[in-house]
Amino acid sequence: KAGVTQTPRYLIKTRGQQVTLSCSPISGHRSVSWYQQTPGQGLQFLFEYFSETQRNKGNFPGRFSGRQFSNSRSEMNVSTLELGDSALYLCASSLAASGGASDEQYFGPGTRLTVT
Amino acid sequence: DAKTTQPNSMESNEEEPVHLPCNHSTISGTDYIHWYRQLPSQGPEYVIHGLTSNVNNRMASLAIAEDRKSSTLILHRATLRDAAVYYCILRGYGGATNKLIFGTGTLLAVQP
Repeated sequence: KAGVTQTPRYLIKTRGQQVTLSCSPISGHRSVSWYQQTPGQGLQFLFEYFSETQRNKGNFPGRFSGRQFSNSRSEMNVSTLELGDSALYLCASSLAASGGASDEQYFGPGTRLTVT
Repeated sequence: DAKTTQPNSMESNEEEPVHLPCNHSTISGTDYIHWYRQLPSQGPEYVIHGLTSNVNNRMASLAIAEDRKSSTLILHRATLRDAAVYYCILRGYGGATNKLIFGTGTLLAVQP
C-alpha cells in the first residue's frame, strides 16, 4: 500500500505570492490533517478534513485555507505569503470514521516551503 | 487539551535499553496515551499507544503508571536508526477529530 504522498516536496516563493500544496492520503483513508512545523513553534495543527468537510481548524489566520476532494485528496492554500510562513508543511491521513482516540495517523514526508 | 511534559533531550548507547518518560498529571479517564517519533527529515510516525495497561509492539513497549499520570516509552535495544524526536501525546476518546497536539518532545541521541 502506498503511503501518504505530498507534492511538491520543495517550493520557493516570494512574499505576497500564494501557494497550493497537495496531499494524497493512503487509499481508503478519509481523514486528512495538515500541520505546520517550524523551529520556533514546533508542530502545529492547521486543519482537518473528513469526507470533504472541514471539522477542525487550528489557530492560524484566514490566509491559510484548505479543501478535500471526493477522492479524499486534499489541498492547502496560503495566500499573501509572509516570510514567517516558511516551514515544513505536513499532511497526515487516518482511516478514522469517527475520530476514535486509538486511530493511528500516517504522515507524509512534507513540503518544505521557503518564502523569500 | 491535557498537557504532557517530556525532557528536552536524552542520550543512549547503541544496543542498550532506553526509557523515555512522559508526565501527564491532568490526564482524564478517557485519554489515550500516544507516542509518535520523527526521524530527521521525515514526517512523524506512530510508535505505540495505550489506555491503562502496558502495551508491547514490534517497535517498543509502553509502561503506564497505575494512576496514569505518567508513562514511559521503552526501546529495548536502541539502534542508530532510533535517533529521533519522540512525542508523547494525549488523545481523548469520542471526539470527532484526529487532531494531534504536539509538545516539544524528547530528542534522543544514540551513540555508537
